[in-house]
Amino acid sequence: DAKTTQPPSMDCAEGRAANLPCNHSTISGNEYVYWYRQIHSQGPQYIIHGLKNNETNEMASLIITEDRKSSTLILPHATLRDTAVYYCIVGYYGGSQGNLIFGKGTKLSVKP
Amino acid sequence: EAGVVQSPRYKIIEKKQPVAFWCNPISGHNTLYWYLQNLGQGPELLIRYENEEAVDDSQLPKDRFSAERLKGVDSTLKIQPAELGDSAVYLCASSHGGTGANVLTFGAGSRLTVL
Repeated sequence: DAKTTQPPSMDCAEGRAANLPCNHSTISGNEYVYWYRQIHSQGPQYIIHGLKNNETNEMASLIITEDRKSSTLILPHATLRDTAVYYCIVGYYGGSQGNLIFGKGTKLSVKP
Repeated sequence: EAGVVQSPRYKIIEKKQPVAFWCNPISGHNTLYWYLQNLGQGPELLIRYENEEAVDDSQLPKDRFSAERLKGVDSTLKIQPAELGDSAVYLCASSHGGTGANVLTFGAGSRLTVL
C-alpha cells in the first residue's frame, strides 16, 4: 500500500500558485519524498524529490515539514498544461533498496 | 534524446489471444521497469530489471505473463493467454538505477483492450 495520503482532487486558477499537500506520517529517516505527475494519456513524469531540506527546480518547489511527516508541492504559476494527476511517493534513494509505490494521487485541474 | 519508446500504443485483441509489448529504454539506463495501470489507479510494478537480470518479479502473474530483457537493453512483456481483466495500460520506465535517485523516465504506455 502507498505510504502517503493525498486529497483526491484540487482546483487552481490559471496563473495562481498550486499547493498540493501530502501526508507521510510513517516516513523513515532515510526515505525520500518524490513527486511525479501524469498528464492525460501520457506516462508519469518526474518532478522533484527531497529528503528534509526544501528543494526547487525549474518545474516546482518542494517544502518538507521539519518533522518530515508532510510536504507540499508548489507550482508557482500554474498553467492549463499543469492539469494532471500528481503523485506523492515515499521511497529510498536507490532503486536497489525498494521500488516506488504509486497511490491514486491528486487530480489537479487548472482552470482559466 | 528519444525518451523511453514503447510499442504498440494501442492493441485490441480477443480473450485467450496472446499479446506482446516492446520497450526501448533511454540509452545508458541500466534499470528497466514494467508497470500496469488500471483506469483511475496509480501504476503498479510488475517487474524490475537491473541490466538483464529480473531482480523483482514478485508482482508478475507468472501463469500468463512473461518478460525478457535480452542483452540488457530492450525488453518485451508478453501475456498469453489474455483475459478480460488484463485490459489496462502497460507502462515501461527506465532509470540509471543502482545507488542513484529513484528518478524514472516513463514511456507513453501501451493501452490494451481485451474483448
